Amino acid sequence: AQSVTQPDIHITVSEGASLELRCNYSYGATPYLFWYVQSPGQGLQLLLKYFSGDTLVQGIKGFEAEFKRSQSSFNLRKPSVHWSDAAEYFCAVGVRGMNTGFQKLVFGTGTRLLVSP
Amino acid sequence: DGGITQSPKYLFRKEGQNVTLSCEQNLNHDAMYWYRQDPGQGLRLIYYSQIVNDFQKGDIAEGYSVSREKKESFPLTVTSAQKNPTAFYLCASSMTVGTEAFFGQGTRLTVV
Repeated sequence: AQSVTQPDIHITVSEGASLELRCNYSYGATPYLFWYVQSPGQGLQLLLKYFSGDTLVQGIKGFEAEFKRSQSSFNLRKPSVHWSDAAEYFCAVGVRGMNTGFQKLVFGTGTRLLVSP
Repeated sequence: DGGITQSPKYLFRKEGQNVTLSCEQNLNHDAMYWYRQDPGQGLRLIYYSQIVNDFQKGDIAEGYSVSREKKESFPLTVTSAQKNPTAFYLCASSMTVGTEAFFGQGTRLTVV
């Protein structure tokens, strides 16, 4: 079955420091991969996505992620964290249907990012 | 502005009552989804719909029902059969394969 693992429940980073959030997936085919961010009590906003091509993808707010097929990983990075980046981050894999090409998202359990002054 | 609108933002109901959560999109997306979010469990798929008048059960459909009579609307009913309905509910939509899902702002349901 498809699954996504985010091993870190909480991460605390100092403002201005670099960030890496880990994501590992289990999926038999070539995955569609996503990172979403959620502020408290809000919906999810797409940060970036990987469908094919260049394995290093750029997103909004200065985030990037690298797809590594050999490690089944799609880690999210940011070179310098801002206090406004404090939120919960979700990694997801897009699952295609057998015949229809339908896609649904399977999410990880999320990583809460805390930013210290 | 295009987007997904969920209403209401907060909903309180007594145990044993059915309640319907609204989800409307004006993105002209074919696919729509309902997810449930609980602390520490991420998002879990309740129901999804690929086209009008068609929908499929997700991973946790028991105690829920949906309809898709119009392309832009996908209401979710939380029935009295749902044993633990208090949660944050998120609606999303997407084009067909190859595009990302867009989410509404969520409805927080509290059953007392």
